[in-house]
Amino acid sequence: QEQLVESGGGVVHPGMSLRLSCEASGFSFRNYAVQWVRQAPGKGLAWVALISYDGNDKYYADSVKGRFTISRDNSNNGLYLQMNSLRPEDTSVYYCTNVPRLRNSVQVWGQGTTVTVSS
Amino acid sequence: EIVLTQSSDFQSVPPKGTVTITCRASQSVTYNLHWFQQKPGQSPKLLVKYASQPTPGVPSRFRGSGSGTLFTLIINGLEPEDVATYYCHQTGTFPYSFGQGTTLDIK
Repeated sequence: QEQLVESGGGVVHPGMSLRLSCEASGFSFRNYAVQWVRQAPGKGLAWVALISYDGNDKYYADSVKGRFTISRDNSNNGLYLQMNSLRPEDTSVYYCTNVPRLRNSVQVWGQGTTVTVSS
Repeated sequence: EIVLTQSSDFQSVPPKGTVTITCRASQSVTYNLHWFQQKPGQSPKLLVKYASQPTPGVPSRFRGSGSGTLFTLIINGLEPEDVATYYCHQTGTFPYSFGQGTTLDIK
């Protein structure tokens, strides 16, 4: 069973940091680009960041560039998001998910982890 | 940045009706456009990838088409379990982006 499980969310004050983790199982994690997507309360999906299958390429939304860092460890099927200088507008459910490939692909989403930034 | 604009924020459709949701991209994404369904309290689920490729296990009433800047998701014969919000998502150009979402309701 393909699965992604996020953890690390919580309630923090503005300016603080959090590190989200996402553990993959049941599929070849190392073969996929993976990304973080967030959803603010009552709002739509918003793309946050992506890391290539080998970790060599990283891309960010303008809203998080310079504050968030995406990384991965293929040896333990882990995806991470280091979030610094958090702002109230970062309050969201954060999902990890893989980018589907053109052929022979699975597509998995985690259950999400909630980040609340509030004073 | 590529902006994806879905044809409506909300649609109310009779049971067994046909639903058409359009996603227009501000620049070409060739065929790198995917459709997701999200039910309340759940994670999104892939319906169609790369504009028109179906996903195993997804009912055949969901069909995608299009290329370049204009894409369509059609649901033929709406079922009660199709009540959800539908999003398009482009992976053609960074930064990736999502449409604003279209929420379906049954009349």
